[in-house]
Amino acid sequence: ETGVTQTPRHLVMGMTNKKSLKCEQHLGHNAMYWYKQSAKKPLELMFVYSLEERVENNSVPSRFSPECPNSSHLFLHLHTLQPEDSALYLCASSLHLRLAGTYEQYFGPGTRLTVT
Amino acid sequence: AQTVTQSQPEMSVQEAETVTLSCTYDTSESDYYLFWYKQPPSRQMILVIRQEAYKQQNATENRFSVNFQKAAKSFSLKISDSQLGDAAMYFCAYRSGGPYNNNDMRFGAGTRLTVKP
Repeated sequence: ETGVTQTPRHLVMGMTNKKSLKCEQHLGHNAMYWYKQSAKKPLELMFVYSLEERVENNSVPSRFSPECPNSSHLFLHLHTLQPEDSALYLCASSLHLRLAGTYEQYFGPGTRLTVT
Repeated sequence: AQTVTQSQPEMSVQEAETVTLSCTYDTSESDYYLFWYKQPPSRQMILVIRQEAYKQQNATENRFSVNFQKAAKSFSLKISDSQLGDAAMYFCAYRSGGPYNNNDMRFGAGTRLTVKP
């Protein structure tokens, strides 16, 4: 596979469930991102892993927990979600060079999450 | 903090005609990058075009071009000879330049473009 892939593409879960979203990039990038896309709102950056460091986003509730085992894989662990968490969750990756910063981001197709 | 504003929630264009999508941004930085992304219905978001702030020449990619007005902090996207496949949500995005840009890309709320046959 090429580019950025995400699984599953669609997920319906109850408020008491625990599930995980997976993202994989095949571009040789070293930075990965989770975004939340809700209707009629700008994309919200949730988490960033860059150069093997996690950038915290204090506005994200603790019911969302990221994991980045290596530069190619990114997970978003979900537990006890709320209906307002229903959205499209996008993963992206980019190249981050220490002396030049990061370059444009490439996105996966997203996971459409519905919390019932 | 940098903000990106897209003042047109929806736009429509007749097939084969030209349309311009607006984007303004607010920043105190001199080194930054601007992007237009396209998100077709139920499909992946893809990069359409990028502009480095230090370049005076407007970026062009085939039928897509930008009008970058640095002093006015304006970054509009022009789509020429519109095609049905251009129908999508278009997002304008800003990223700080340099090695300390903290990986933060700011997006506008998007403009939904409809192409009429």
